[in-house]
Amino acid sequence: QKEVEQDPGPLSVPEGAIVSLNCTYSNSAFQYFMWYRQYSRKGPELLMYTYSSGNKEDGRFTAQVDKSSKYISLFIRDSQPSDSATYLCAMSSNTGNQFYFGTGTSLTVIP
Amino acid sequence: DVKVTQSSRYLVKRTGEKVFLECVQDMDHENMFWYRQDPGLGLRLIYFSYDVKMKEKGDIPEGYSVSREKKERFSLILESASTNQTSMYLCASSSGELGEKLFFGSGTQLSVL
Repeated sequence: QKEVEQDPGPLSVPEGAIVSLNCTYSNSAFQYFMWYRQYSRKGPELLMYTYSSGNKEDGRFTAQVDKSSKYISLFIRDSQPSDSATYLCAMSSNTGNQFYFGTGTSLTVIP
Repeated sequence: DVKVTQSSRYLVKRTGEKVFLECVQDMDHENMFWYRQDPGLGLRLIYFSYDVKMKEKGDIPEGYSVSREKKERFSLILESASTNQTSMYLCASSSGELGEKLFFGSGTQLSVL
């Protein structure tokens, strides 16, 4: 079983839709959760960072962590064509210098 | 703003060549990482370094070596490039503190012919 599971998609939505991206994980020691946005042929850009459980909002983006279910989500409101990218989830624990990644979900927002 | 700079965006090399990929960070970070990214396989850790001259093997170190002579610079070396090393290579850094964030460079797309 992989440490982090993420549906690869692809996901295609019309402009203005609410997008929900999700990851599940198996290691209960994970405390720090990240979402990255990666445009084609570019490096991942850190989008959201959350510690432990709860929600965090930044503009049109909301990151949600449910540690009891080992489930994290990224919501994008009023999606724009410029949101078309691959979204990676990542997480780490209190020990060591290791980061664990999902394989990424490809999102296309259609104008 | 944090900055991780990779020296090349695109590289084309021939089988058997020695290849150097350079990465520099300007955040005074302790930890630096090299990943490769392949479709369907996601990010895989090649090597990481937690201090100058220190290195640790990641999940797929075979065919690679690294060098960290200065804190800000972390180099990935392909001793004898092979076609199965064609990939996107990503350098990253983190502070080394508890709960650190990981920052990536813009990537190097390497093609080995």
